[in-house]
Amino acid sequence: GNSVTQMEGPVTLSEEAFLTINCTYTATGYPSLFWYVQYPGEGLQLLLKATKADDKGSNKGFEATYRKETTSFHLEKGSVQVSDSAVYFCALSEAGTASKLTFGTGTRLQVTL
Amino acid sequence: SAVISQKPSRDICQRGTSLTIQCQVDSQVTMMFWYRQQPGQSLTLIATANQGSEATYESGFVIDKFPISRPNLTFSTLTVSNMSPEDSSIYLCSVLEAPEQFFGPGTRLTVL
Repeated sequence: GNSVTQMEGPVTLSEEAFLTINCTYTATGYPSLFWYVQYPGEGLQLLLKATKADDKGSNKGFEATYRKETTSFHLEKGSVQVSDSAVYFCALSEAGTASKLTFGTGTRLQVTL
Repeated sequence: SAVISQKPSRDICQRGTSLTIQCQVDSQVTMMFWYRQQPGQSLTLIATANQGSEATYESGFVIDKFPISRPNLTFSTLTVSNMSPEDSSIYLCSVLEAPEQFFGPGTRLTVL
């Protein structure tokens, strides 16, 4: 079956540091890939997505590139802010839809001044 | 994007009791889902709530434990029945507005 593996947290960074959160996946076919973010006390929000190989999703300074050859979808941001402190979830869905999402375990990011 | 609300936002319950969680969407949607997020864990899909028919449950989840209603295209309920401490989780509903899925704020349940 499908699965998503994320790097374990928590990740603690100073403001303006570079962020990478690794995500790899196992799936049949060509899944769509997502990053969701959960800010403290709030629900999940879609951060970015990519639906085919080599697509780059981007939003709010975050980027992730769909790499089929390495089955990866690593999240990056060049300069994090304190307001980026949250839990980040990598997820996939079967090709073409966002139904039946399979989530990774989540990575907590803490950004300090 | 759809705006989703859930009630209650949190509750503390005694073992053996049941709790019904409501999910309201501000627009008509075809597909609604219920997820569970156990402490320190990721989200796991419980079931797809189907309007006008029985919910479709994922492996490991059964209707007797998690009965679901979907009376119309904007509303669904999830009941957690005969609760035990292992049911302590955050329960989230979500809706599909293709190609994206939007989530409610969640219901934090603690079972003593």
